[in-house]
Amino acid sequence: AQTIHQWPVAEIKAVGSPLSLGCTIKGKSSPNLYWYWQATGGTLQQLFYSITVGQVESVVQLNLSASRPKDDQFILSTEKLLLSHSGFYLCAWSSDWGGDAEQFFGPGTRLTVL
Amino acid sequence: SQLAEENLWALSVHEGESVTVNCSYKTSITALQWYRQKSGEGPAQLILIRSNEREKRNGRLRATLDTSSQSSSLSITATRCEDTAVYFCATDAGGNYKPTFGKGTSLVVHP
Repeated sequence: AQTIHQWPVAEIKAVGSPLSLGCTIKGKSSPNLYWYWQATGGTLQQLFYSITVGQVESVVQLNLSASRPKDDQFILSTEKLLLSHSGFYLCAWSSDWGGDAEQFFGPGTRLTVL
Repeated sequence: SQLAEENLWALSVHEGESVTVNCSYKTSITALQWYRQKSGEGPAQLILIRSNEREKRNGRLRATLDTSSQSSSLSITATRCEDTAVYFCATDAGGNYKPTFGKGTSLVVHP
């Protein structure tokens, strides 16, 4: 069975500080990977997606970057946090590509920027 | 504006009652997915309904799709407290080739 793990579970960071969030998928080779951001009570905004190792596509510009250093790993980072970065960050994977692809979400990371 | 969006921000029912969440979308789609997100968790897919399907069931859940009115509904029968969650529809409206989520409808089921 596939499992998806995100770390850390929660972070409290200062404005201007760096950030790195991680996501690992086990039990699935060559998954499509996604990063989402969700404001409190808000919708899911897709930030990045990756179809293969080393390739990441940006969907929206939020002063964040993403990398996929390994087949099963997806990293979200920034060198300088903004207050607007606060929210819930979700990593997801899918086997298929397309509008009918089911996405499997991780437990998320709660980020508070002060 | 959103390519897909649920029509109500919040709903409240009592256990055992039935409830329907509606979603409308713009442009044509390949499929529409319904997801449920419980507080503090990631969303989980409930039902996927393709553009050539009109209805899909999963236990107490029933989804319908009307491509002529570009709308979908998710009905839950015999609701339970554990159905309390935010319900999202997600479509590939706009030819994005990946699901775009609506704003979500918050459902609270009271004992």
